[in-house]
Amino acid sequence: NAGVTQTPKFQVLKTGQSMTLQCAQDMNHEYMSWYRQDPGMGLRLIHYSVGAGITDQGEVPNGYNVSRSTTEDFPLRLLSAAPSQTSVYFCASRFRDRGPYEQYFGPGTRLTVT
Amino acid sequence: GENVEQHPSTLSVQEGDSAVIKCTYSDSASNYFPWYKQELGKRPQLIIDIRSNVGEKKDQRIAVTLNKTAKHFSLHITETQPEDSAVYFCASRGSNSGYALNFGKGTSLLVTP
Repeated sequence: NAGVTQTPKFQVLKTGQSMTLQCAQDMNHEYMSWYRQDPGMGLRLIHYSVGAGITDQGEVPNGYNVSRSTTEDFPLRLLSAAPSQTSVYFCASRFRDRGPYEQYFGPGTRLTVT
Repeated sequence: GENVEQHPSTLSVQEGDSAVIKCTYSDSASNYFPWYKQELGKRPQLIIDIRSNVGEKKDQRIAVTLNKTAKHFSLHITETQPEDSAVYFCASRGSNSGYALNFGKGTSLLVTP
């Protein structure tokens, strides 16, 4: 059981470039989400998905796109990177409605936009 | 949406002392309250959680209490050790965003020998 995996671990982008952060889980979790973590700001929800084919916006969705074609994968796309998107990005997954309620996090991707 | 307030933002205690971190939430429909510990450069990891039908839960040196009427919950760490030094996040599972976890801004705990 690999749990939640993310690639890459580190990435440097120039302003205006695009890229995709990959996230996968092997726990058959329906609910997957992306958070960004900035100093002093906690974890803020970017986008989430309650199942394959269903996605929706969280608290800070601007500049990001997601899709969920399979239960296992939930990639996050940066359309045109900006310095304000410099952050650590965490993917997370859990069961949607039934217990246990524990949410598992991936190891994170540290992104720098110059 | 749900608003989770966490205090204090930093906490320094001596080894062996107790540490208490407090959180309040706004969504009366919230029914699940986990606490995560994050060490430097690592992912957040669940250390204890409580559901809304329980007032207190304990696991060795850590405990969580919930007051649903006042909409606040607290983390208690007793007999602190240097390895308890980390950032701690509270969260609540509200009714917004598909029942997303909403996080407090974190408490940086330092345990000095």
